[in-house]
Amino acid sequence: NAGVTQTPKFQVLKTGQSMTLQCAQDMNHNSMYWYRQDPGMGLRLIYYSASEGTTDKGEVPNGYNVSRLNKREFSLRLESAAPSQTSVYFCASSVRQPGELFFGEGSRLTVL
Amino acid sequence: GENVEQHPSTLSVQEGDSAVIKCTYSDSASNYFPWYKQELGKGPQLIIDIRSNVGEKKDQRIAVTLNKTAKHFSLHITETQPEDSAVYFCAAHTLNFGNEKLTFGTGTRLTIIP
Repeated sequence: NAGVTQTPKFQVLKTGQSMTLQCAQDMNHNSMYWYRQDPGMGLRLIYYSASEGTTDKGEVPNGYNVSRLNKREFSLRLESAAPSQTSVYFCASSVRQPGELFFGEGSRLTVL
Repeated sequence: GENVEQHPSTLSVQEGDSAVIKCTYSDSASNYFPWYKQELGKGPQLIIDIRSNVGEKKDQRIAVTLNKTAKHFSLHITETQPEDSAVYFCAAHTLNFGNEKLTFGTGTRLTIIP
C-alpha cells in the first residue's frame, strides 16, 4: 500500500519557469490537500479539494493553480516560479474533515 | 481566522524523562485538535488527536489534554526514548460558514538526549 505518492522529490527551477507537482493516493480518500512548509512557519494550506470535481483556496494560494484530475490525483502548478516559492511541498489526503491527514514524503523545490 | 501558537520551539530532555508541548488557539469554534510527528525527510504523521467534547486522551506513552475554557491543549510524552526525537506539530480544526480549515502551529523540535 503506497499511500500518498508525490513526484518529483527534488526540483530546481529558474525564476519564471513553470512546473507541476504531481500527487496520487491509493486509499480512496475523498479530500486532498497541498501544503507548503517553511522554517518557523509550520504547514500552510495552499489549496484543497474536498471531493472530486471541487477545489478551493487555502491560506496562501497566490502563484499556484491546482487540478483534481480524478479521485486519486491532485496536481499543483506553478505558472511562473518566484524565489518566494522555494519551499517543501506536501500533498495530503483524508477520508473526511475533520479527520486524519495522510501526508506524502514531500517535494523540495528551489527557485533561483 | 484561527491562530495557533505552539511552545516551545525547541525542547531537549534526558531519555526517560517526560516532555510537554503546549498550544493555544484563538477560535472558540475549533472542535478537533490533532498532533503530528515529523521525522527527518518524511511527511508528518498523526500520533494522537482529541475532539472538543473530550478533556483528555491517552495512547500508551503519549497523552493530550484540552482546556476549552482557556483555549489550550498540550501533548505529554512520558518515558521518552531516542525514537521520540522529531518535530511535533499541533493543529486546530474549525468549521465556519461551511468552510473547513485546519491551522497548524509552528512546530517543536524535540531532542531526546541518551
